[in-house]
Amino acid sequence: GDSVTQMEGPVTLSEEAFLTINCTYTATGYPSLFWYVQYPGEGLQLLLKATKADDKGSNKGFEATYRKETTSFHLEKGSVQVSDSAVYFCALSTSSNTGKLIFGQGTTLQVKP
Amino acid sequence: EAGVTQFPSHSVIEKGQTVTLRCDPISGHDNLYWYRRVMGKEIKFLLHFVKESKQDESGMPNNRFLAERTGGTYSTLKVQPAELEDSGVYFCASSQVSGPYEQYFGPGTRLTVT
Repeated sequence: GDSVTQMEGPVTLSEEAFLTINCTYTATGYPSLFWYVQYPGEGLQLLLKATKADDKGSNKGFEATYRKETTSFHLEKGSVQVSDSAVYFCALSTSSNTGKLIFGQGTTLQVKP
Repeated sequence: EAGVTQFPSHSVIEKGQTVTLRCDPISGHDNLYWYRRVMGKEIKFLLHFVKESKQDESGMPNNRFLAERTGGTYSTLKVQPAELEDSGVYFCASSQVSGPYEQYFGPGTRLTVT
């Protein structure tokens, strides 16, 4: 079945460091790919998305490129801030209008000043 | 505009008891989803409503779980009787049927079964 695999956390970085969180997927057809973020005490928020191969999603300095050949959607940010500390979830959906999401296990990011 | 709200934020119950979780979606969102995250694991889909109809309940773990959405507005998820493995965070999300299809999530209900 469809699945998402994320790198194990937690990830601890110093402020202004470069961030990569790896995400790979297995899916039939052509899924849409998402990164969600959960800040402490809050619900999940959509961070960025890509709906077809080679699309790049970007938001708040974060980027991820839909790589069909490697079935990957790695999240990157050039310079992290303390406020980026959160749990990051990679997800896919194989149906754009019914929208059932399949998530990875989440990666906790802690950024230290 | 109010976001997705969930109640309670945290519930602690004993094994064998009953708990009812509530989700109020964003007004006008006909799609409503329930998900669950067991500690440290992935968030798993439970079921999907379109208005008051269950569109997909393939993720419901067993018949101890009952979801309803009377009138197509708020939804409840009842667990009866609760077991230890039901502990986790239950998320609700909503989206528009007509698009855009972004799912807006609530803050979750943390359920602890002792």
